Amino acid sequence: DVKVTQSSRYLVKRTGEKVFLECVQDMDHENMFWYRQDPGLGLRLIYFSYDVKMKEKGDIPEGYSVSREKKERFSLILESASTNQTSMYLCASRHSRDNYGYTFGSGTRLTVV
Amino acid sequence: GQSLEQPSEVTAVEGAIVQINCTYQTSGFYGLSWYQQHDGGAPTFLSYNALDGLEETGRFSSFLSRSDSYGYLLLQELQMKDSASYFCAGPNRDDKIIFGKGTRLHILP
Repeated sequence: DVKVTQSSRYLVKRTGEKVFLECVQDMDHENMFWYRQDPGLGLRLIYFSYDVKMKEKGDIPEGYSVSREKKERFSLILESASTNQTSMYLCASRHSRDNYGYTFGSGTRLTVV
Repeated sequence: GQSLEQPSEVTAVEGAIVQINCTYQTSGFYGLSWYQQHDGGAPTFLSYNALDGLEETGRFSSFLSRSDSYGYLLLQELQMKDSASYFCAGPNRDDKIIFGKGTRLHILP
């Protein structure tokens, strides 16, 4: 069964910590995405990558960075965690030829205290 | 701007039919997709309309009218397990998919 795996389901971190959220997909997808989901705001795109070593800013990149060293892995980094980054983080991937078919990971619920 | 608008909540009765609407404003638009998300779960892909008209997949159907910048998801023979949030999504001019804020579907027994 093909899937997108996020390394942690729940995380609690302290303000100021550097946080790494890992995402791995086994579908040989070129494109990978990081979203955060907040009540009333829906899914908002943080960063995305169309291929290895490539990265592009989404709609809300401030306070975040990403790394795509291998095709199957896309990491989201919170440089210095803040309480307003408490959220559900969702990783997704798709084939480059698809305009619509995201496969999502199960999400990481991050709490910054 | 680029946005997709959908109702925040819809309530329907088990066994009935419900329609969730989505209107959009995106440039370079070329399709509308729908996702389902149960509480605590990940969004899962339901359907995609590249062309005008109705696409049917079992109890779920999706419709698109590009001239009206409008689409909907139709759920028939509602079951309690259909209680979830439903998102419409479409590509923006940078080929990124943007999502509506989601419609929470409540199903009454």
